[in-house]
Amino acid sequence: DIQMTQSPSSLSASVGDRVTITCRASQAINNYLNWYQQKPGKAPKLLIYDASNLETGVPSRFSGSGSGTDFTFTISSLQPEDIATYYCQQYDNLPVTFGPGTKVDFK
Amino acid sequence: EVQLVESGGGLVQPGRSLRLSCAASGFTFDDYAMHWVRQAPGKGLEWVSGLSWSSGSLGYADSVKGRFTISRDNAKNSLYLQMNSLRAEDTALYYCAKDSSGRLQNFDYWGQGTLVTVSS
Repeated sequence: DIQMTQSPSSLSASVGDRVTITCRASQAINNYLNWYQQKPGKAPKLLIYDASNLETGVPSRFSGSGSGTDFTFTISSLQPEDIATYYCQQYDNLPVTFGPGTKVDFK
Repeated sequence: EVQLVESGGGLVQPGRSLRLSCAASGFTFDDYAMHWVRQAPGKGLEWVSGLSWSSGSLGYADSVKGRFTISRDNAKNSLYLQMNSLRAEDTALYYCAKDSSGRLQNFDYWGQGTLVTVSS
């Protein structure tokens, strides 16, 4: 199975800060990598698909990049509504696997 | 509007069975792959199983392989998860999720989940 790691596991930032989360796959997964946001008590929401494509309706302050084994998720200017846990997910090989998540809160 | 409504969760004893259902509406169900994703209390997301639009491609997490069976009824716009030999570690909120494609790729719409608790 492909193992996904994320760093950091949590971070604290201020409104307006640039936030970056990294996701690493245990083997190359092309660009078959998605990012989700999950707020407490809510179902996850797809933000980025295929490493760098913004899902319809998602604000442009969210972006993704990377290919192979190393990927980056960025919030260019953190907003109060962005407080959540963020997960990466690969689908290059079954089983589909998620990263452990990165919890983002306010400093 | 896409809607996914899960049902069938509840309290069940270890070793027993449970069948989850997901009623889908607002899209052409048989065009898309569908998945089950679970989340144990206070934990991260775990993909459980997925089934392509035609049921020609499917997969399971190692943790449920041989115990869980995914199926779909395109005529009824429904997805199912038959869970046998349940264990305490299967306790979780089970989400039904729609893929954006006919293959097993991502989860662009989610239900609100149905809670499964395995305990004696």
